[in-house]
Amino acid sequence: NAGVTQTPKFQVLKTGQSMTLQCAQDMNHEYMSWYRQDPGMGLRLIHYSVGAGITDQGEVPNGYNVSRSTTEDFPLRLLSAAPSQTSVYFCASSYSIQGYNSPLHFGNGTRLTVT
Amino acid sequence: AQSVTQLDSHVSVSEGTPVLLRCNYSSSYSPSLFWYVQHPNKGLQLLLKYTSAATLVKGINGFEAEFKKSETSFHLTKPSAHMSDAAEYFCVVSENSGYALNFGKGTSLLVTP
Repeated sequence: NAGVTQTPKFQVLKTGQSMTLQCAQDMNHEYMSWYRQDPGMGLRLIHYSVGAGITDQGEVPNGYNVSRSTTEDFPLRLLSAAPSQTSVYFCASSYSIQGYNSPLHFGNGTRLTVT
Repeated sequence: AQSVTQLDSHVSVSEGTPVLLRCNYSSSYSPSLFWYVQHPNKGLQLLLKYTSAATLVKGINGFEAEFKKSETSFHLTKPSAHMSDAAEYFCVVSENSGYALNFGKGTSLLVTP
């Protein structure tokens, strides 16, 4: 049981480049989400999904796209990278679609630097 | 609207002494509250959660937290700190009606020998 797997662990991009951060979970969780973590800011929600084919915006969605074609996968796309997107990105999943009802399972993060 | 404030960005304790990490919340509804821990270069792990059952919640690794509605607080405590407790701790609030969680900005716990 791998839990939540994020790839890559590290990435350096140049301004304007695009890329996809991968997230996969093998726990059959309905709820998946992406957060970014910046020093002194805690975790901020980018996008989330409550099931295959359903996505919605979180607190800081600008510059990011997501899709959920399967229950297992929830990739995060950076369309045109900017230095402000330098951050650590975490994917998290939960059994319940209700945030209050079950804990989040986190991946180990992707550290992204945009130069 | 819901929000959470962690009152200390850094806490330093000696090994074997008590730990207190403070968290205040605001919520329009009956909240669920969580504490997560993040060790260096790792994802977050659930320590404990409150979901309107007992107000004193016990978690993993000897941590516990008490929900005090009158004070809108959910402070995390441990009687005796261990070196392995050094990490970043996050208080999280969720209203019982939605999908989103609100994270505090984190408290960095340093444990000295």
